[in-house]
Amino acid sequence: ILNVEQSPQSLHVQEGDSTNFTCSFPSSNFYALHWYRWETAKSPEALFVMTLNGDEKKKGRISATLNTKEGYSYLYIKGSQPEDSATYLCAFGLGNQFYFGTGTSLTVIP
Amino acid sequence: NAGVTQTPKFRVLKTGQSMTLLCAQDMNHEYMYWYRQDPGMGLRLIHYSVGEGTTAKGEVPDGYNVSRLKKQNFLLGLESAAPSQTSVYFCASTRTVHYEQYFGPGTRLTVT
Repeated sequence: ILNVEQSPQSLHVQEGDSTNFTCSFPSSNFYALHWYRWETAKSPEALFVMTLNGDEKKKGRISATLNTKEGYSYLYIKGSQPEDSATYLCAFGLGNQFYFGTGTSLTVIP
Repeated sequence: NAGVTQTPKFRVLKTGQSMTLLCAQDMNHEYMYWYRQDPGMGLRLIHYSVGEGTTAKGEVPDGYNVSRLKKQNFLLGLESAAPSQTSVYFCASTRTVHYEQYFGPGTRLTVT
């Protein structure tokens, strides 16, 4: 079983704060690293797919970086808004399978 | 374009009963997955398929079977349900691991 770890497990921030989370994965045999946003009572939706060491992706106020050599990815949210409240999942793609972390639950307090 | 759909949305089974969950996608994706989501455990892969007629075991396959007779459909079967199979089941599809997965709305299954 492959271990994908996310930290912190949960986070409460004030509206307007910037924040970041970490996803750690095995540094060997890298295929892809995905980030998903999962709102309560909905399904996970993809934020980013990263496949190359040093990849940086951005979508609005959310960005992500990837370091495959040391096995980690960071997700950043700039100027958090209440609508950013969700669980953020990372998934490590290896072969034909995905291995998910347990997620970081973000609550943005107005 | 419905994306990924799952049937049923909710189900309650008694221990020992059987059922089939249906996942359908209209994006012509080759890869389809079945996950279960339990509190504190994240999404765990049950079985997956990389094309019509193919299936493979994931991380937690015991007690489940799958079939992919048509490219657009991926069925998950429980032959003899157990309380440990109480969970929320998600289906997903994608082109390959280098592309985003699209998830269905989930099926909440309770086994009493």
